[in-house]
Amino acid sequence: DIQMTQSPASLSASLGETVSIECLASEDIYSNLAWYQQKPGKSPQLLIYYASSLQDGVPSRFSGSESGTQYSLEINSLQPEDEGDYFCQQSYKFPLTFGSGTKLEIK
Amino acid sequence: EVQLVESGGGLVQPGASLKLSCVASGFTFSDYWMSWVRQTPGKTMEWIGDIKYDGSYTNYAPSLKNRFTISRDNAKSTLYLQMSNVRSEDTATYYCTRRGSYWGQGVMVTVSS
Repeated sequence: DIQMTQSPASLSASLGETVSIECLASEDIYSNLAWYQQKPGKSPQLLIYYASSLQDGVPSRFSGSESGTQYSLEINSLQPEDEGDYFCQQSYKFPLTFGSGTKLEIK
Repeated sequence: EVQLVESGGGLVQPGASLKLSCVASGFTFSDYWMSWVRQTPGKTMEWIGDIKYDGSYTNYAPSLKNRFTISRDNAKSTLYLQMSNVRSEDTATYYCTRRGSYWGQGVMVTVSS
């Protein structure tokens, strides 16, 4: 199975700041990576697909990038509604696998 | 508006069977692959499996394929997850998804005696 190592496990940042969340794939997944946001008590919502494509309706302050097997989610100009959990998922090879998640707190 | 509504969860005893349902609306159900994903109480996300739009092909997480079966009824726009011989480690919130782009609200399954 492809392992997705996500970091950090948690982070705390202030309004207006920029944060970055990383996922390292154990092998090449050829950009087949999605990022999800999950707000407390809610189901996950797709933010980014194919590593850097923004899902319809998602604010442009969210962006995705890749470098080799390292994938990043950047959130610019943090807003209060950005608080929640973030997960990456690879869809290159079955079984599909998720990162362990990052809990983002807005100070 | 795309909607996915799961049902069928609850408290079940170890070794029992349970069938979850997911009714879809707001899109042509028969055009899309569908998936089940679960999230443990500790928030770990686990992909369970996919089913092709016409139901002719399924793919499962190896650790679950002997106990879980995914099916669909396109006439009813409904996705199913049949769980058998459930174990305590199957305790989780189960989500129906349109291959990640849309998610249901989730249904809780608790396996306990």
